[in-house]
Amino acid sequence: EVQLLESGGGLVQPGGSLRLSCSASGFTFSSYAMSWVRQAPGKGLEWVSTISASGGSTYYADSVKGRFTISRDTSKNTLYLQMNSLRAEDTAVYYCAKELPLLHGMDVWGQGTTVTVSS
Amino acid sequence: QSVLTQPPSASGTPGQRVTISCSGTSSNIGSNPVNWYQQLPGTAPKLLIYNNNQRPPGVPDRFSGSKSGTSASLAISGLQSEDEANYYCAPWDDSLDGWVFGGGTKLTVL
Repeated sequence: EVQLLESGGGLVQPGGSLRLSCSASGFTFSSYAMSWVRQAPGKGLEWVSTISASGGSTYYADSVKGRFTISRDTSKNTLYLQMNSLRAEDTAVYYCAKELPLLHGMDVWGQGTTVTVSS
Repeated sequence: QSVLTQPPSASGTPGQRVTISCSGTSSNIGSNPVNWYQQLPGTAPKLLIYNNNQRPPGVPDRFSGSKSGTSASLAISGLQSEDEANYYCAPWDDSLDGWVFGGGTKLTVL
């Protein structure tokens, strides 16, 4: 079964850091680009970051550029999101997602992990 | 504010056909495939339509997508109560170099 399982969310103070993980199973992890998408409470979906299948290319939303870093470890079938200088507006449920080729969207999603930035 | 414009809400009665529009620009819808997601309350999003009009396995043929120029539409025919959800359009944007999501449309089945 194709599955994504996020972890690492929690409560953090403004200015703090957190690292999210997304464990993948049931597919050849190294063959697919992966993304992080977040959803603030009561709001819509917001794309955060994408990493290519090889890991050689990364893309970020302007709202997180310079603060967040996406990476992947093929040996562990795991996707990461390092989040630094966190702000209240980063509070959201963070989903990892597997991408289809050719910009055909994200066909597998995790259940999400909650990040709360508050003092 | 999203670069894609969707109506915030839509509604219909069981059995009806409803459409949800998504308006963009030449750098997103005009250049790239449009994908649609369904998000049921309290759950993760689900890919509903990809590449403008393709359905992933398991998605009923009641759901269909189309694209023309810088606009796209999602149509749901034979509306059912379980279709009550939020729907998002999402193409890649060449100018922003990233995915863009519409603001979402909350579909209510009356």
